[in-house]
Amino acid sequence: GDSVTQMEGPVTLSEEAFLTINCTYTATGYPSLFWYVQYPGEGLQLLLKATKADDKGSNKGFEATYRKETTSFHLEKGSVQVSDSAVYFCALSDQSGGGADGLTFGKGTHLIIQP
Amino acid sequence: DAGITQSPRHKVTETGTPVTLRCHQTENHRYMYWYRQDPGHGLRLIHYSYGVKDTDKGEVSDGYSVSRSKTEDFLLTLESATSSQTSVYFCAISGQGQGTGELFFGEGSRLTVL
Repeated sequence: GDSVTQMEGPVTLSEEAFLTINCTYTATGYPSLFWYVQYPGEGLQLLLKATKADDKGSNKGFEATYRKETTSFHLEKGSVQVSDSAVYFCALSDQSGGGADGLTFGKGTHLIIQP
Repeated sequence: DAGITQSPRHKVTETGTPVTLRCHQTENHRYMYWYRQDPGHGLRLIHYSYGVKDTDKGEVSDGYSVSRSKTEDFLLTLESATSSQTSVYFCAISGQGQGTGELFFGEGSRLTVL
């Protein structure tokens, strides 16, 4: 079945540091890929997405590129801020079955940014 | 923000009691989902619905049932709650209109089973 693997953390960085959170996936079809962010006490919010190979999703300074050859969708940001502290989830939607059965999520990466 | 309301937001109950969580949407989306979130497990799909009275099981459906009698409401029921069902439950919706499978989430319902 489909699966998503990501580093769980916590990942602790200083403000203005470069961020990479690795995400790799296994899917039988041609998935769409997502990064969601969860701030404390809140639900998940879509951060960015990519629907086909070599697509780059970007939002709020975060980027991720859909790499089919390495089955990866790593999240990057050039200069993190304290406000980026949150839990980040990588997810996929396998559209081969119509996509009705929701997303498959990684276990989440807790990111802590120190001033 | 997507119009998704979960209730109750917090509940404490005792083992063996029935519990129903409600998800209400104002987006008229076809697809609705219930996930649970636990440390070390991320989000796992419990049940989902692809239309009124059309539901199916997810990865962790044992001990849960769902019902969808109206497009806007999706109910999750624990017939006899157990301590292993202590978790944060999230409802999500999807219109599937863009074909990408993107989900929109509610704010969660924290359930504690003593």
